[in-house]
Amino acid sequence: GQNIDQPTEMTATEGAIVQINCTYQTSGFNGLFWYQQHAGEAPTFLSYNVLDGLEEKGRFSSFLSRSKGYSYLLLKELQMKDSASYLCAVLDSNYQLIWGAGTKLIIKP
Amino acid sequence: NAGVTQTPKFQVLKTGQSMTLQCAQDMNHEYMSWYRQDPGMGLRLIHYSVGAGITDQGEVPNGYNVSRLNKREFSLRLESAAPSQTSVYFCASSERGPENIQYFGAGTRLSVL
Repeated sequence: GQNIDQPTEMTATEGAIVQINCTYQTSGFNGLFWYQQHAGEAPTFLSYNVLDGLEEKGRFSSFLSRSKGYSYLLLKELQMKDSASYLCAVLDSNYQLIWGAGTKLIIKP
Repeated sequence: NAGVTQTPKFQVLKTGQSMTLQCAQDMNHEYMSWYRQDPGMGLRLIHYSVGAGITDQGEVPNGYNVSRLNKREFSLRLESAAPSQTSVYFCASSERGPENIQYFGAGTRLSVL
């Protein structure tokens, strides 16, 4: 079967750096997305990786290793507004999106 | 430019009642989809549409029907609601398909008693 694993919950301190991991076992791979979802709100797009390596976008970066079936989202200079769930989604060989259950990130002052 | 507009935001139904969730997008997107989100699980695709009049089943289609009469609107209907359909429902749209950025509506929190 297809599977995406993310930690259920993480806690970090305001101003610090946090890395949220995502491992996947899917039938093929055509890209990986990260979305942010604040409590009670809709998911919003953060990043997309299809090639190995690091994509940087301001305070957020996303890394992909296709050979290891692994990605991470790196958040720097954490702010209270970064408290949210972070969803990892993989596009499989049939161009279907497979979603992880999400990682709830709690930021403490 | 409102993006994806989804109504209602909240709904409580009794078992056996029916209802329709409405979704409209103003981004001229071809692809629209309906998901449900349950605690501890990833988003699960219910139905999707690649254009007006074209719909297909996703991962969890049973108990749901959809309609895409035009490019803008994609509705989800529960004919006879069951407690197992208690969930948060999201409509999403994208330019052409799952490979593009998905834009989500604000969600509908549905409780079936």
